[in-house]
Amino acid sequence: EAGVAQSPRYKIIEKRQSVAFWCNPISGHATLYWYQQILGQGPKLLIQFQNNGVVDDSQLPKDRFSAERLKGVDSTLKIQPAKLEDSAVYLCASSFPRAASYEQYFGPGTRLTVT
Amino acid sequence: AQSVTQPDIHITVSEGASLELRCNYSYGATPYLFWYVQSPGQGLQLLLKYFSGDTLVQGIKGFEAEFKRSQSSFNLRKPSVHWSDAAEYFCAVDNNNDMRFGAGTRLTVKP
Repeated sequence: EAGVAQSPRYKIIEKRQSVAFWCNPISGHATLYWYQQILGQGPKLLIQFQNNGVVDDSQLPKDRFSAERLKGVDSTLKIQPAKLEDSAVYLCASSFPRAASYEQYFGPGTRLTVT
Repeated sequence: AQSVTQPDIHITVSEGASLELRCNYSYGATPYLFWYVQSPGQGLQLLLKYFSGDTLVQGIKGFEAEFKRSQSSFNLRKPSVHWSDAAEYFCAVDNNNDMRFGAGTRLTVKP
């Protein structure tokens, strides 16, 4: 089966610009996650969707970050405006139901550099 | 505060030697426990997980981990490391659907 797809793989922008990342989860996976992984740190959950509804966005900086999952499939994560500290790898993951007993499958990530 | 600690930032072992990567957590109850591996430019891949039952769990690629409740630890082991095991390893805990990752341990394998 196809894995989690993400694009672009790399993005370089200047601070104060906006950027968007796209994620296509594994077919049939109802739960979708966006993580931020800063260099030298473990991934940090930004937002979690169940189908097209938000389950948890407590760690999403809502003044600049937004995410949507229209039709409960693909998802986009947007940053507007970007700051230097947003430089990180943004990982998307999906799982079948929303439960720890089911494995999260990760995409390859989008590496964002903000200059 | 709830946390996941991987005390070793970087470990170097010789090929064929044994490996142990440490992980400690601080949560009120026993959470679900995971080990993931991340190769350069790749996403995270699940090595193994613990929910309940036998405290020694087997995973893929010859890895195993042991849950020790008294020490709040979930250390990852492999009896003989291969050069292809060089990667970043992350311990993670899921407490009531709140997944937290450790900072990771980078493994270098010497020939």
